[in-house]
Amino acid sequence: QKEVEQNSGPLSVPEGAIASLNCTYSDRGSQSFFWYRQYSGKSPELIMSIYSNGDKEDGRFTAQLNKASQYVSLLIRDSQPSDSATYLCAVTLDSSYKLIFGSGTRLLVRP
Amino acid sequence: GAVVSQHPSRVICKSGTSVKIECRSLDFQATTMFWYRQFPKQSLMLMATSNEGSKATYEQGVEKDKFLINHASLTLSTLTVTSAHPEDSSFYICSAPANPGGSPDTQYFGPGTRLTVL
Repeated sequence: QKEVEQNSGPLSVPEGAIASLNCTYSDRGSQSFFWYRQYSGKSPELIMSIYSNGDKEDGRFTAQLNKASQYVSLLIRDSQPSDSATYLCAVTLDSSYKLIFGSGTRLLVRP
Repeated sequence: GAVVSQHPSRVICKSGTSVKIECRSLDFQATTMFWYRQFPKQSLMLMATSNEGSKATYEQGVEKDKFLINHASLTLSTLTVTSAHPEDSSFYICSAPANPGGSPDTQYFGPGTRLTVL
């Protein structure tokens, strides 16, 4: 069983819609949770981090964490074509900075 | 924010040769750096943790004699792919925490190095 699982997509949404990206993780001891955006041929850039249960909002992005269900999600409101990218979910298992990544979900925002 | 650079950004080499990739923290000191590898359409996989002044720690399944890591200073880590073969062709990315002991948010990624082995 993979430690961090994501649907590979592509998830296609029209411009202006809400894109919902989901991620599950297997280790209940996971401590920190991250969403990264990766454009083709580029390295990942941090979009959101979340550490405790509930919602965390930053601009058009909202991260949701449910540790009981071992589930973390990312909502992107008012999706723009420039949001088209692969979104990587990542967790840390301890207090180190070692990130375990999911395989990513490709998002396509149609103009 | 903090900046991490990598050099070269792209390298093409013949099978059997060795390739060195540099990772530098430009405006902060990094006692620890991480090396990841990403095959096409796959996720980033952690290869090793580079520690300044001590040996690198390799993840399970990563050959330490093939992927040599040297953390020469507080701002430089190098990854040498020895006797490279076509299956080593990948996107190699380093990262460094800018604030050791602080929030994991402060980990910064380099721009990556695309290695192609012919």
